[in-house]
Amino acid sequence: GAVVSQHPSWVICKSGTSVKIECRSLDFQATTMFWYRQFPKQSLMLMATSNEGSKATYEQGVEKDKFLINHASLTLSTLTVTSAHPEDSSFYICSASRNALEAFFGQGTRLTVV
Amino acid sequence: GQNIDQPTEMTATEGAIVQINCTYQTSGFNGLFWYQQHAGEAPTFLSYNVLDGLEEKGRFSSFLSRSKGYSYLLLKELQMKDSASYLCAVNNAGNMLTFGGGTRLMVKP
Repeated sequence: GAVVSQHPSWVICKSGTSVKIECRSLDFQATTMFWYRQFPKQSLMLMATSNEGSKATYEQGVEKDKFLINHASLTLSTLTVTSAHPEDSSFYICSASRNALEAFFGQGTRLTVV
Repeated sequence: GQNIDQPTEMTATEGAIVQINCTYQTSGFNGLFWYQQHAGEAPTFLSYNVLDGLEEKGRFSSFLSRSKGYSYLLLKELQMKDSASYLCAVNNAGNMLTFGGGTRLMVKP
C-alpha cells in the first residue's frame, strides 16, 4: 500500500514560537493533500486542502495566516503553526490522495504548546 | 451541507458481535470509508463501499445502502484490541473526505 510519512510525531514548543510539520508521500505523487486537526475524544476536522503549486483552500473558521500550508512538490506538503498558543495543542494529521478512491494518512503529529 | 451521524459510544463483550451505524447526507458521493483509530494514533483503513451491499473482510464487514444514506460496520468475535474509535467517512466531490464524529467502542471481558 501507499505510504505517507509525517514528521515529527510529536513536538513541544513554547507559546509564541512556530512549528513546521511535514507530510510526504513516499511512493506516489499526491496532487492533493489534506490537513486535519483532532482534539481529544473528537473526530478529525478538516483544516485545509493543499494543492500542489497553488494556494491551499481553508475550511471556514481556520485562520490561513496562522496555519500556513505549502505544497511545493507532488510529494511534500508542510503545515506551519505560527505564533503557537496553548489552544493550538492538538493532534494534526495529514492525508494524501492517489486517486478519487484512496486516502492515506500520515502517522499524525502531537503538538503541545506550553 | 454535509452531515454524517454515528453513535458516540458503544460497549460490547469480548467474543460478541457489534454493529456500528452511520447515516449520511452529503453533496456528491464517491464512496464510504470506515477507519479504526486507536487513541493517539492516526486512523487505519478498514473498508470501502461504493455500491450497495455487504463487503466482508475477515471479522469485519461493512454494508451500504445509498438510497437510504446508511452504512454499518459489523465486527464479529470481538477482541479486547478492538477497543478503539471507528470513523465513518464519505468521499464526496473532489476527493474530499468528510468524517462523522466517530464511535468509541469499548470491549469488556
